[in-house]
Formats: sequence, C-alpha cells, structure tokens
Amino acid sequence: QKEVEQDPGPLSVPEGAIVSLNCTYSNSAFQYFMWYRQYSRKGPELLMYTYSSGNKEDGRFTAQVDKSSKYISLFIRDSQPSDSATYLCAIVNAGNNRKLIWGLGTSLAVNP
Amino acid sequence: DAMVIQNPRYQVTQFGKPVTLSCSQTLNHNVMYWYQQKSSQAPKLLFHYYDKDFNNEADTPDNFQSRRPNTSFCFLDIRSPGLGDAAMYLCATTLAGGGTEAFFGQGTRLTVV
Repeated sequence: QKEVEQDPGPLSVPEGAIVSLNCTYSNSAFQYFMWYRQYSRKGPELLMYTYSSGNKEDGRFTAQVDKSSKYISLFIRDSQPSDSATYLCAIVNAGNNRKLIWGLGTSLAVNP
Repeated sequence: DAMVIQNPRYQVTQFGKPVTLSCSQTLNHNVMYWYQQKSSQAPKLLFHYYDKDFNNEADTPDNFQSRRPNTSFCFLDIRSPGLGDAAMYLCATTLAGGGTEAFFGQGTRLTVV
C-alpha cells in the first residue's frame, strides 16, 4: 500500500462547480498536510497547509483533514477556468527530516 | 519577489555531457531539496540538505550529485545525462523547526538530445 493515495483523474467540471479533491494516507503518525497546485511547466505552488483535523478555509478553497479516517480533501467553490491545473496533496513525515510524501496529483480542467 | 529561484528555466544538454542546475533562495531556510518530476508524475525526491548535512535517497542514481556551498545556494550536477534523465527538476526549501511548508522554485526543464 502506498503511503499516500490520490486519484489522478482527469477531472473535468463546468465553470462554477464545486470541486472535491481527495487523498488517503496510511500512517497515522503523519501530522502535516498540504495541497499544492501545479500549472503546466511550472513548479508546485503551496495552496493550503494544515496540521489538525477539521477545516481550514482560504477564499474559495477549503482544506479538510479527518485523521480518524486518514483522509484529506480540498474543496474549490465557484471553480474558474484559471483553476485548471494539477493538484497534489503532500504530507510531511515530521520524524524524517520533514520529508514530503506526495500523492500522484489530480489533473483538473474547469470548462468555461 | 521570487523566493526560490532556479536557473536556467530550460536546459538542453547532449547525451553524456555534464550539466549543472542551480537553485538560490532568499528565505534563509536550512533545508533544501532537489526533486525530479516526469510528466504526469509526482515529484520524486533525489536528495536534500539539512544545513550542511547531505541526505541521499537510496534509489537516487550515482549519476546525480549535489553541492551546497552556503545557505542560499544549492546545485544539482548530472555527470552523464541519459535520455531517461529528461525531466523537470525542482528545488524546494523549508525551515526545519519552523513551519513545515516547502516552497518550490519554478523548476528547470531538462532536455537531453
């Protein structure tokens, strides 16, 4: 079993839709959870970062962590064509020099 | 306002010809990472520096080396690039002991001809 699982998609939605992106992880000791957005031919850009169960909101983006289920989500409200990108979840193994463990990334297309 | 800067953005090299990619950061972070990312794949960690301590991933080929002469700069050396080394190379930094967010540069896309 991979340490972090993420459905690569692709996911295609109409403009204005609510998008739900998800990852599961296997190690209950993982503590820090991040979502990165990566546009084509660019480096990953940090979107959201959280370390506790619950929701964290930033504009149209909400990150949700459920440690009991080992499940993390990113919700995008009122999706825009400019949100079209690959979204990668990353989890920090705090006990291993803060090594990032990545999901495969989900490719999202928001159609006008 | 770029905080992690990679040069060049695009690099073309010949098969077997050594190439060096560079990364600089203005964040004063003590941890620097090099990742390799191929199309439609997640970034793969090659190695990282914790201050001056070099940490190599077990499956990183010997063809890949790194240098960190000071806190701000880190280099990736590919001694004899093969066609399979064509990829995006990403540099990232983080502050151990502080927030765990990793900040990435824009990447260098390496083409091997």
